[in-house]
Amino acid sequence: GQQVMQIPQYQHVQEGEDFTTYCNSSTTLSNIQWYKQRPGGHPVFLIQLVKSGEVKKQKRLTFQFGEAKKNSSLHITATQTTDVGTYFCAGPSGSGWGKLIFGQGTTLQVKP
Amino acid sequence: EPEVTQTPSHQVTQMGQEVILRCVPISNHLYFYWYRQILGQKVEFLVSFYNNEISEKSEIFDDQFSVERPDGSNFTLKIRSTKLEDSAMYFCASSATGKSNQPQHFGDGTRLSIL
Repeated sequence: GQQVMQIPQYQHVQEGEDFTTYCNSSTTLSNIQWYKQRPGGHPVFLIQLVKSGEVKKQKRLTFQFGEAKKNSSLHITATQTTDVGTYFCAGPSGSGWGKLIFGQGTTLQVKP
Repeated sequence: EPEVTQTPSHQVTQMGQEVILRCVPISNHLYFYWYRQILGQKVEFLVSFYNNEISEKSEIFDDQFSVERPDGSNFTLKIRSTKLEDSAMYFCASSATGKSNQPQHFGDGTRLSIL
């Protein structure tokens, strides 16, 4: 079945360092969504990418959708302690409805 | 900002017992979902629901699971005879439409512990 994979599983960085998580789908995606889950919290929608090669920025966060629409990345510049959490990418199942297939997530720890 | 609310926040149940997890989706949303997250693992889709019918369900959503919208606001997940492996965080989510490009809004979750 359709799979969405993310690497790395964990990342520990010093505050101020950059961070990147990579997402790969086994199938071409119509769009990809990114969610953030704080420790003990629930997934919170960050952004959606739709177009091939699309790049979107939210302050220090840069999201990219690959040309083939099978991979995506999230890059955080100059991490802060507030960036701590697990970042999930999620792609639609292809059924046309809202079922999301989540990646395993990348858990970011930031040392002050 | 409107929120998805879930109750209870934590449910402890003996194996074999029935549990009902409750959710109030965002009021103008039409599509509702249940996901589960086993501790430390990824979020897994269980079921989607629209117009009082299941739209899609995963292989996890077997005969022990059922969903219902008993009134105009609540959306429930029932697990008929709980097993140890049902222990997980269960998230309800809703979206304005069921299109795959709609962001989903998650509730805070119910932590289900089966003893």
